[in-house]
Amino acid sequence: AQSVTQLGSHVSVSEGALVLLRCNYSSSVPPYLFWYVQYPNQGLQLLLKYTSAATLVKGINGFEAEFKKSETSFHLTKPSAHMSDAAEYFCALRAGNQGGKLIFGQGTELSVKP
Amino acid sequence: NAGVTQTPKFRVLKTGQSMTLLCAQDMNHEYMYWYRQDPGMGLRLIHYSVGEGTTAKGEVPDGYNVSRLKKQNFLLGLESAAPSQTSVYFCASSYELYPTGELFFGEGSRLTVL
Repeated sequence: AQSVTQLGSHVSVSEGALVLLRCNYSSSVPPYLFWYVQYPNQGLQLLLKYTSAATLVKGINGFEAEFKKSETSFHLTKPSAHMSDAAEYFCALRAGNQGGKLIFGQGTELSVKP
Repeated sequence: NAGVTQTPKFRVLKTGQSMTLLCAQDMNHEYMYWYRQDPGMGLRLIHYSVGEGTTAKGEVPDGYNVSRLKKQNFLLGLESAAPSQTSVYFCASSYELYPTGELFFGEGSRLTVL
């Protein structure tokens, strides 16, 4: 079975500090992984996606993620946090069944302190 | 360029009442999905559709019905609402089943069942 686990439901960083949001996956087939961001009272917006072309993936707003097969991880990072990064972040895996649904992690809420 | 539009955005129901949520997409996508979002649980798939006239059950289909009479619309119905259906509902669409394609999300519909 495929699954996604996000470590830490809440992460708090200071403005200008490194952002690290952790995601681990389980999949018996090659995974296709996504990070989405949800700002308050809004829908989900794609940050970046891994499609096996490159293990280091760059996304919008300065975020990037590195796919590590040996660690079954796809952690999201940003070198310097900005106040506008405060949001909820979801890691997701595209399933091989059920219409190619996205299987989501539980989400990580990022707070940025001034 | 509207993308995925959900109506209504907010609704309060009494237990036992019925309602329909409408999702409309203007991107000519084949695949459409209804998710519910609950705190600490990420997003869970309710129903999905792989094309006009088709629907299928997701992970949590009980208490919901769907229809896709037109390619651009995907309706989610609650025949007899229960407090457990209090949630935020998201519609999403995708242009391809191939795993690298992302899902595009609406802004959500917040439903409260009293």
